[in-house]
Amino acid sequence: GALVYQYPRRTICKSGTSMRMECQAVGFQATSVAWYRQSPQKTFELIALSTVNSAIKYEQNFTQEKFPISHPNLSFSSMTVLNAYLEDRGLYLCGARTGGNERLFFGHGTKLSVL
Amino acid sequence: QQQVRQSPQSLTVWEGETAILNCSYEDSTFNYFPWYQQFPGEGPALLISISSVSDKKEDGRFTIFFNKREKKLSLHITDSQPGDSATYFCAASRDQGGRALIFGTGTTVSVSP
Repeated sequence: GALVYQYPRRTICKSGTSMRMECQAVGFQATSVAWYRQSPQKTFELIALSTVNSAIKYEQNFTQEKFPISHPNLSFSSMTVLNAYLEDRGLYLCGARTGGNERLFFGHGTKLSVL
Repeated sequence: QQQVRQSPQSLTVWEGETAILNCSYEDSTFNYFPWYQQFPGEGPALLISISSVSDKKEDGRFTIFFNKREKKLSLHITDSQPGDSATYFCAASRDQGGRALIFGTGTTVSVSP
């Protein structure tokens, strides 16, 4: 079956530092990867949508300079939170799908805490 | 502006009862509507989905009812079990594969034994 793994599951970083999170698709080709942030209040914010062989599309309020994303192949994507501050706290979710298929599979998420 | 809305915010039902979760959306071009189930500390898991060409989708104890004209849909959980206690998210997208999902605000369901 289709599975998405994210790591680390939890991380704590000091204010002003950066941290990288990874997303691995197993059992299918992740032609599109969407990165979301889920707030403690459980609302989802779409950060960016990455499609292999296309430019990464960032949503309003999110930039490549702050959240650089790499999607080098059909099974892996990573995102870095640069210069993290308190407002960056949350559960970062990677959702992956195969082209032409609406089904979006999520990993467990990376929970980011900022001190 | 919240493009996908859900109500109620939370819901408590007794074991065996039917839980009804509501969802509405703004954009008439949305044509794919999945529901995700999320347990604390976990990522959301796809539960059931419907496309705009259908008005009903059933999978076991979970049924989606879809009203395209009113831009509303609902998720019915029949014979609710304590293990169904979770937060349920309605989501929407515009076309197959090309767009990311827009999520609603979620309904937290508690099933009391």
